[in-house]
Amino acid sequence: ETGVTQTPRHLVMGMTNKKSLKCEQHLGHNAMYWYKQSAKKPLELMFVYNFKEQTENNSVPSRFSPECPNSSHLFLHLHTLQPEDSALYLCASSRRPEGEQYFGPGTRLTVT
Amino acid sequence: AQKITQTQPGMFVQEKEAVTLDCTYDTSDQSYGLFWYKQPSSGEMIFLIYQGSYDEQNATEGRYSLNFQKARKSANLVISASQLGDSAMYFCAMREGIQGAQKLVFGQGTRLTINP
Repeated sequence: ETGVTQTPRHLVMGMTNKKSLKCEQHLGHNAMYWYKQSAKKPLELMFVYNFKEQTENNSVPSRFSPECPNSSHLFLHLHTLQPEDSALYLCASSRRPEGEQYFGPGTRLTVT
Repeated sequence: AQKITQTQPGMFVQEKEAVTLDCTYDTSDQSYGLFWYKQPSSGEMIFLIYQGSYDEQNATEGRYSLNFQKARKSANLVISASQLGDSAMYFCAMREGIQGAQKLVFGQGTRLTINP
């Protein structure tokens, strides 16, 4: 399998649930990213990892907790989310932080 | 102030015609990069084309070309001979920041619809 994969593709969770989003890249890239895409808003960068080290946290609430165990895998742990957190969550990777980013298909999250 | 401005929320074009999607940007950095992405209804963001701020020639990738006008801070995407499969959201993005701490800033997007 090639490219960037994300699971699950769709997720519905209650405000008291705990869930995790998974991203895996098969491109040999060293940088990975989480983005949030809400309706009628530009894509928002959430977190950046470069060689497994977090280099950017774009003022994201602590109910979102990223984890990068290695350069190929990135997780986003979710707990006590709010309805306004409902969005498309996109993962991306790049060979270098300044290079073009390749995106996964996204996880459509609905918080009820 | 918005760093990336895409003034066309939606565009409708006849198949086989060329289309230009507008993008203007705002930065005080000397070194930056400009990207265009396509997002079909499936949700995946597809990288199309890249232009570096020091590149003297406009970038081209197949039917895509980037009309880079540095003095005007514009980076318009031109799609030649449009196809039905080109219908999608298109996002302009700018890479800015210092080495090691760079990030992409995206515009609001333009929804392109190709009519048969």
